[in-house]
Amino acid sequence: GENVEQHPSTLSVQEGDSAVIKCTYSDSASNYFPWYKQELGKGPQLIIDIRSNVGEKKDQRIAVTLNKTAKHFSLHITETQPEDSAVYFCAGSLGGRDDKIIFGKGTRLHILP
Amino acid sequence: EAQVTQNPRYLITVTGKKLTVTCSQNMNHEYMSWYRQDPGLGLRQIYYSMNVEVTDKGDVPEGYKVSRKEKRNFPLILESPSPNQTSLYFCASSLSGYGVTDTQYFGPGTRLTVL
Repeated sequence: GENVEQHPSTLSVQEGDSAVIKCTYSDSASNYFPWYKQELGKGPQLIIDIRSNVGEKKDQRIAVTLNKTAKHFSLHITETQPEDSAVYFCAGSLGGRDDKIIFGKGTRLHILP
Repeated sequence: EAQVTQNPRYLITVTGKKLTVTCSQNMNHEYMSWYRQDPGLGLRQIYYSMNVEVTDKGDVPEGYKVSRKEKRNFPLILESPSPNQTSLYFCASSLSGYGVTDTQYFGPGTRLTVL
């Protein structure tokens, strides 16, 4: 089955700098890759997603890139702000072929003042 | 307000005492799912449901049951809880009924402790 690995487990960046979180997946048939942000005491919330027919997607300060050949995808946050501090999860799904979704183990992002 | 609700939010119980965690969504979503979150392990899918009366196992279904008799409700049942089921549980729902290709909306979580 699908396996999603996420790195790093913890990341500290200076406010205003960029942060990058990377994930790899094992099943080349996976076609949907969402990223979720979890703030303290809350449930995860979708921040961006990408499908396998797209190489990059941006939404303001957040971008996701997908390399299907290498089977990895990354989350990029630019001009980081204190409110970006949270745990981020990547995930992979086979979409219509399988209704399971596999999450990475998460990255705790600290934005330093 | 569109939301996923879970009850209870906190529960302390003892080994072997059956319990149910309820989940309800008011968005007319087809897909619902249960996850457990443990330190260092991230989110792991327990069970999911594409539609009423359709349920299937996720990655860690052992020790859990679910039912989907109505579209809006998806209760998680622990028939005989054990300490290794101590965890933070999340229910989620999404619009699509075929594959996980839509935004999942998560509930606030239920923190369960089994003594």
